[in-house]
Order: sequence, then C-alpha cells, then structure tokens
Amino acid sequence: NAGVTQTPKFQVLKTGQSMTLQCAQDMNHEYMSWYRQDPGMGLRLIHYSVGAGITDQGEVPNGYNVSRSTTEDFPLRLLSAAPSQTSVYFCASRPVGLAGGRQFFGPGTRLTVL
Amino acid sequence: GNSVTQMEGPVTLSEEAFLTINCTYTATGYPSLFWYVQYPGEGLQLLLKATKADDKGSNKGFEATYRKETTSFHLEKGSVQVSDSAVYFCALSDLYTGTASKLTFGTGTRLQVTL
Repeated sequence: NAGVTQTPKFQVLKTGQSMTLQCAQDMNHEYMSWYRQDPGMGLRLIHYSVGAGITDQGEVPNGYNVSRSTTEDFPLRLLSAAPSQTSVYFCASRPVGLAGGRQFFGPGTRLTVL
Repeated sequence: GNSVTQMEGPVTLSEEAFLTINCTYTATGYPSLFWYVQYPGEGLQLLLKATKADDKGSNKGFEATYRKETTSFHLEKGSVQVSDSAVYFCALSDLYTGTASKLTFGTGTRLQVTL
C-alpha cells in the first residue's frame, strides 16, 4: 500500500495562475479531505468528500474547487492563485464508517504564490 | 463550534527530560481525541487517541488521558529523546455530524530536544 500520495511536493506559482494539486489513496477510503497548514493556525479544512460524486465545503473553501469522480482521487484546484494561498497543503483519508476515527495523511505539497 | 487550544511553543528540553504539552478542547457531544505528530518535512502521523472519558491513549512512551471533567487531553512522556523533536497537534473529531465528522486541530506545539 502506498497510502495517501500527493503531487507535486513543491510548486511555485505566479499570481493569477491556475493549477491542480493531486491526491490519491489506495486504501478504498470513502472519506477524503484537504487541509492547509499555516504558521500559528494549525490545519484548517478546505473541502471534503464522503464518496465519489459528493463534495462539501470546509472551514476555508474560498478560492479552491474540488471534484471526486473516483474513490481513489481527490484533486484540489486553484483557479486563480493568490499570495494568500501560499501554504502547505495536506490531503487525508479515512473509511467513512469510522466517523470519529483517525485520518491518514499524505506527505504534503508546499505551494508558494508570488 | 468545536475548538482545540494547545500550549504555545516552542518547547525546548534536554534529552531525558519530562514532557507535558497541554491541550484543552470545546466540543458538542462526545468527541474522540487525538495527538498527531509531524516530523520535519513529513505529513502528520497519528501518535495516539482516546475515544471516551477516562481512556488513556499511549504509544512510543507517550501518554494522554481523556479528562471530560476538565475537557483536557494533555500529552506526556517521561523521558524525551532527540528523535522526538517534531510538531505535535492535538485534535478532536466529534460524532455529532455523523459520517462527515471532521478533525478540528490545535495550532501545534513544536518540541525541540537537545543533547
């Protein structure tokens, strides 16, 4: 099992550019989520999904889009990057039946927007 | 809403010192509580968890007890090692929202252990 994988590991964008952060898991987990990590603020939930075709907003969704066409993949799209989106992004997953249980995290993508 | 408050870091200790990282929470319902650890350059890993009041989670010499009366889940280790240097996050997940239950994190506490 590779677990949760994320690509790229590092990315530099210019303001206004678009990009997609990739996330995949091979554990057949229904629940997947995206967090951003900023100094002094811990991790904040951006979007989440409880299964293919179902997504919902988290705490800080503005500026980000997601879709879930398969159980395995949950990409995060930045349509027009802004410097405020400079952060480290983590994808996580867990079985949906394990509400209240642990989540499995990917290694993260460090994004810098100039 | 749910919230988690952790002690501010960084915490700097000598090897073999005793560690306590305080964590208190506010939540509806009966949350599960977690400590996650993030080593430099890596993602978060589950360190330990407790799912009900008075449960003690333990792993790798770390312990934390779920105290409902004080809404706390303090992390302790009797003798830290240099390899324990990392950022530690306290988190909660409540069952109130069912299958969509989400993790709420504290701000993290950086631990630096020196020889």
